Amino acid sequence: SSELTQDPAVSVALGQTVRITCQGDSLRNYYANWYQQKPGQAPVPVIYGKNNRPSGLPDRFSGSTSGDTASLTITGAQAEDEADYYCNSRDTSGYHWVFGGGTKLTVL
Amino acid sequence: EVQLVESGGGLVKPGGSLRLSCAASGFTFSSYNMNWVRQAPGKGLEWVSYISSRSHYTYYADSVKGRFTISRDNAKNSVYLQMNSLRPEDTAVYYCAREEVMYSNSVRYNWFDPWGQGTLVTVSS
Repeated sequence: SSELTQDPAVSVALGQTVRITCQGDSLRNYYANWYQQKPGQAPVPVIYGKNNRPSGLPDRFSGSTSGDTASLTITGAQAEDEADYYCNSRDTSGYHWVFGGGTKLTVL
Repeated sequence: EVQLVESGGGLVKPGGSLRLSCAASGFTFSSYNMNWVRQAPGKGLEWVSYISSRSHYTYYADSVKGRFTISRDNAKNSVYLQMNSLRPEDTAVYYCAREEVMYSNSVRYNWFDPWGQGTLVTVSS
């Protein structure tokens, strides 16, 4: 298996841009997916594959990958974006899935 | 509406067993791979198990291999997780999640969507 590493917490001022990163060997071969989870709720996808957003999701969310690091960028963060964000991908074997430890985003 | 509804959670003693169910509706269940993901209280997400659409392939996280068994019944639009030899560290909310798929430029992308609302499993004496 493999691991995905995320910063435990990130903060951003309202309306500013924030980048949440996810690092792991498997990201050299597999794209990262990103999920948003608010307290007491199930996770929902915000970015999947190369840089795809589910229908209905604001276009301020975008994804990118460089080498072994994937990034979720929120351009113009809103108060409702405050949540936990998790990256995930296949592991290096290609058969299992792995999640990052999650990043708690605070919008100031 | 695409929906997943888990059930079967509860309080169980260490060493005990529990069977979780996930009922799917609103889509052609037999066409999708399914997964179980868990989240311990106050912790992050942990992938637990995968089953292919026709049950040909199953995979498990090392933490549950040999103790948990995933299965499905496509006639009943349901996926199950049989959990044996439960440990306190198995305490978590267990989510079932559909593995969505998209093809673009000959590349296959997979992600989890939707997720169920989760069912809480507590392992304690």
